[in-house]
Parts: sequence; C-alpha cells; structure tokens
Amino acid sequence: DGGITQSPKYLFRKEGQNVTLSCEQNLNHDAMYWYRQDPGQGLRLIYYSQIVNDFQKGDIAEGYSVSREKKESFPLTVTSAQKNPTAFYLCASRRTGADGELFFGEGSRLTVL
Amino acid sequence: KQEVTQIPAALSVPEGENLVLNCSFTDSAIYNLQWFRQDPGKGLTSLLLIQSSQREQTSGRLNASLDKSSGRSTLYIAASQPGDSATYLCAVRPIPSGYALNFGKGTSLLVTP
Repeated sequence: DGGITQSPKYLFRKEGQNVTLSCEQNLNHDAMYWYRQDPGQGLRLIYYSQIVNDFQKGDIAEGYSVSREKKESFPLTVTSAQKNPTAFYLCASRRTGADGELFFGEGSRLTVL
Repeated sequence: KQEVTQIPAALSVPEGENLVLNCSFTDSAIYNLQWFRQDPGKGLTSLLLIQSSQREQTSGRLNASLDKSSGRSTLYIAASQPGDSATYLCAVRPIPSGYALNFGKGTSLLVTP
C-alpha cells in the first residue's frame, strides 16, 4: 500500500544528544514536509523540500537539520541546539502542483529525559 | 500572514446529531483548503480537499463547503457516531507562497452514545 512511514514511533533522548527521525514515502511525491505539534499550538512547519537535494527552512527551523538525498526519504535530525525538543513530529508529502493533496505519516513522539 | 481559526475548540454532541465545524481564514488568496481528522497520538488523515474554484466537496457523511470571498469553510457531519470522535483540523494553502499549508488549531469533537 502507498503511504508515509515514520520511525521510530516513540523516542527518548538525553539532553545533549542528537536524534534522527526517519520519514519514507512510496507515493512518488516530490514535496515533503516536517511539522511539529505541541498541545495548544497547532502544527508548525520545521523544514520542507520540493525536490531532491533542495530544502528550505520553515517557521521554526532552529535546532533542526534535514537532508533530501532520495526522492522517497526526508530524515529530520533534532540537534542538541534545540532547546525544547519534546514534541510530536509529523512528516507529510504531496505531489507538486496547485491542487496537490497533503498526506501525513503516523508521527513520532520525542521525549527528552 | 494567513491566520486560520477554528471555533469552537471543543464540542460534545449526542450520537445521531448533525453537526457543523467552522473554519475561518484571513486572506482569501488560497489555492485550496483541506480538512483533516486526527485521532489521539496519531497522524492526520485527509478527509476532503476543496480547490479554490470549488464550492463544496462530499465524501460519505461528510460535506465541506468553501466561501473564499468571506474566508470561511464548514465541515458538515451527518448522523454523527461515536467513531467520529476526534480532532478535526482545517488548513489552507496560500497564494503566492503555496509551499506549505497554514493550519488551524482544530476542534476536538466528542460524540457520546
């Protein structure tokens, strides 16, 4: 079945450690996104990529990094520079074009101990 | 910047009722509007996508309307069921940036048996 796979679903991190969240899609979508969700704040855009080997910062990119070496993969690294990393992270993708529908993965919950 | 508002933040109805969820946005320059459903601890599931040239979309018991000039959309759920309990989010894709959606904070719906 076509879809977006995020892993791991749950992740615990000690302060000062970098962690990488995986996002893989088999929908043949060009555009991929990372959002962060916190209670009461809605979804906020971290990074997005519209094509392989290209990505742009979203509204809250500080403390995060991404890569887009393959069309189907868009991993997110939460670095030690991110001051408040505990959150629910959502990966999404869509085909390019004005009418592209956005699809989401199941999310990854990161907790900093 | 495009602001998306969903009122009420929470809603509780008895099973079988028809209900309407509201979404408003501040700038009518949009490519499309999308409604999502989110169950606790899960990713977002796309329900309906309305292009800017359309007035409404229907899927089963769901009907979404769009009045772009007034900056409003409604999601109508007919004959509500306990399984409809979830958080419903709307999002708009703004013109000209268009690269990512602006989300509302959602309406948390509880349908009681």
